[in-house]
Amino acid sequence: GQNIDQPTEMTATEGAIVQINCTYQTSGFNGLFWYQQHAGEAPTFLSYNVLDGLEEKGRFSSFLSRSKGYSYLLLKELQMKDSASYLCAVSDAGGYQKVTFGTGTKLQVIP
Amino acid sequence: KAGVTQTPRYLIKTRGQQVTLSCSPISGHRSVSWYQQTPGQGLQFLFEYFSETQRNKGNFPGRFSGRQFSNSRSEMNVSTLELGDSALYLCASSIEDRVTDTQYFGPGTRLTVL
Repeated sequence: GQNIDQPTEMTATEGAIVQINCTYQTSGFNGLFWYQQHAGEAPTFLSYNVLDGLEEKGRFSSFLSRSKGYSYLLLKELQMKDSASYLCAVSDAGGYQKVTFGTGTKLQVIP
Repeated sequence: KAGVTQTPRYLIKTRGQQVTLSCSPISGHRSVSWYQQTPGQGLQFLFEYFSETQRNKGNFPGRFSGRQFSNSRSEMNVSTLELGDSALYLCASSIEDRVTDTQYFGPGTRLTVL
């Protein structure tokens, strides 16, 4: 099975940098997703990490360490619109579409 | 390309009734997954279909069932509704590309059971 942990809530200031951590314990692992979900909306894809290391996409970066079962999402130059829940999700190694989601981190960006 | 669509968007039912939700995946996507989202539990995996076959199933009672049609459209059914079934039901589709496995979510169906 899969066990995914991420902080429940975080608060950060507009213009700052915030790091959202995710740790996982899995029986099989293919890759790790990050999704963003605004209140009342569907999750939208942010990133997918398969290999160790940092991947950067504009203001958002995602890091993965497979040996440590650890990932983080880094948001730079925070904007008010970044206030949302950030979901960490692990893709199973079974080869099929089997994804387990964490409960999400609710990020509040304050002025 | 049109996104994932779900119908209806909102639904109110009473305990004991049954409900059917529909999901149309992105054109060309063959895998459809269903999730239940509640404030306390987050996104919980219900089941996944590929080529009309259920390949994966989460830990939900048999009251929750689904199917997929030859055009990849999918339906899920919940029978004998309980108050605890009130949730946002999300459908997600993917090409089933093993490199990315990225899922694209629909807007969801908000089910309220009274």
